Amino acid sequence: DAGVTQSPTHLIKTRGQQVTLRCSPKSGHDTVSWYQQALGQGPQFIFQYYEEEERQRGNFPDRFSGHQFPNYSSELNVNALLLGDSALYLCASSRWTSGNPEQFFGPGTRLTVL
Amino acid sequence: RKEVEQDPGPFNVPEGATVAFNCTYSNSASQSFFWYRQDCRKEPKLLMSVYSSGNEDGRFTAQLNRASQYISLLIRDSKLSDSATYLCVVNSGNTPLVFGKGTRLSVIA
Repeated sequence: DAGVTQSPTHLIKTRGQQVTLRCSPKSGHDTVSWYQQALGQGPQFIFQYYEEEERQRGNFPDRFSGHQFPNYSSELNVNALLLGDSALYLCASSRWTSGNPEQFFGPGTRLTVL
Repeated sequence: RKEVEQDPGPFNVPEGATVAFNCTYSNSASQSFFWYRQDCRKEPKLLMSVYSSGNEDGRFTAQLNRASQYISLLIRDSKLSDSATYLCVVNSGNTPLVFGKGTRLSVIA
């Protein structure tokens, strides 16, 4: 039973570029949440997708956008990258109807913006 | 005031020691509470959920005080492998998980 997978594992970009990160949820899960974790901080919620729609969004600018596909996998896109976007980006999956808020995290994508 | 506050540490303790971490949360509507463990440069992993009655899993004991909006984690007989960052997490129904900054623990031989 595959857990949550993310790609790529590491990425280096320069300011102003755009990046796409990918996530496949755990088998049986239909909901994907994305988090940004800066060094020395806890993960911060970016947004959550269910049934291919953004259901909730945290305090992140419109440069951060996402998508969910029919197979429940998801992408996070960040436009016009800033140095401050350097962080570990975590994807977490869960089941929308389970009533259990427990989320399972992928290994993350470490993004460095130069 | 931050939604979830934790002492960042680091807590440096010898093997075999007992160590306790505390966490406070500001949203009185919070319904679910968790401790996650995060190893260096890895993803967070659920350590245990926290219930009103308190719960224990081996050497780990979690307590919740709703009146004081306070959560604790006690680790007995610390092992070297317990060295990690411990994240306090709260949730209010369908809202996203809200994480504290984490408390760093180093268990020393």
